[in-house]
Amino acid sequence: EVQLVESGGGLVQPGGSLRLSCAASGFTFSSYWMSWVRQAPGKGLEWVANIKQDGSEKYYVDSVKGRFTISRDNAKNSLYLQMNSLRAEDTAVYYCARVGRSVYDAFDIWGQGTMVTVSS
Amino acid sequence: SYVLTQPPSVSVAPGQTARITCGGNNIGSKSVHWYQQKPGQAPVLVVYDDSDRPSGIPERFSGSNSGNTATLTISRVEAGDEADYYCQVWDSSSEVFGTGTKVTVL
Repeated sequence: EVQLVESGGGLVQPGGSLRLSCAASGFTFSSYWMSWVRQAPGKGLEWVANIKQDGSEKYYVDSVKGRFTISRDNAKNSLYLQMNSLRAEDTAVYYCARVGRSVYDAFDIWGQGTMVTVSS
Repeated sequence: SYVLTQPPSVSVAPGQTARITCGGNNIGSKSVHWYQQKPGQAPVLVVYDDSDRPSGIPERFSGSNSGNTATLTISRVEAGDEADYYCQVWDSSSEVFGTGTKVTVL
């Protein structure tokens, strides 16, 4: 079964850091672009970052540039999101999603999400 | 930055047709994808590349894209189609999601 499982969410103070992980199974992880997408409570979907199959290209939404880092370990079939200097507005459910073999492809597989709450 | 505009809500009676629009500058030149999200659940891809359906998605879901508007059409609407729907494109090194449309089945 094709599956993505996120972990690492929780409560963190403003200015703090958190590292999210996403474990992939059931497909050849190294063949796909991967992404993080978030959704603030009661709000719409917001893309956060993409990473190419070999990690050589990374893209970020402007609001997280310089604070968040997307990475992957193809040997471990895992995707990561290192989040530093967290702000209240980063509070959201964070989804790991498979993009496809091209960056133009759709998000065809989604994890169940992990909640990140930034609050003092 | 690129903006995708959707109507906040669409209401439809069971058995009727729901049409959800997604407006963007020259969106017809891009590949548009559509997602369904039910409360408390992760989004699900229902249409990709303007008009293709992933396996397992009913034929009742269809898409089109031309000019400045892409459209998701849900035919013979069922109660289970009640959800939020989002369009999405890749533009200038960014993924862009539409504002989202809540479909209510009367």
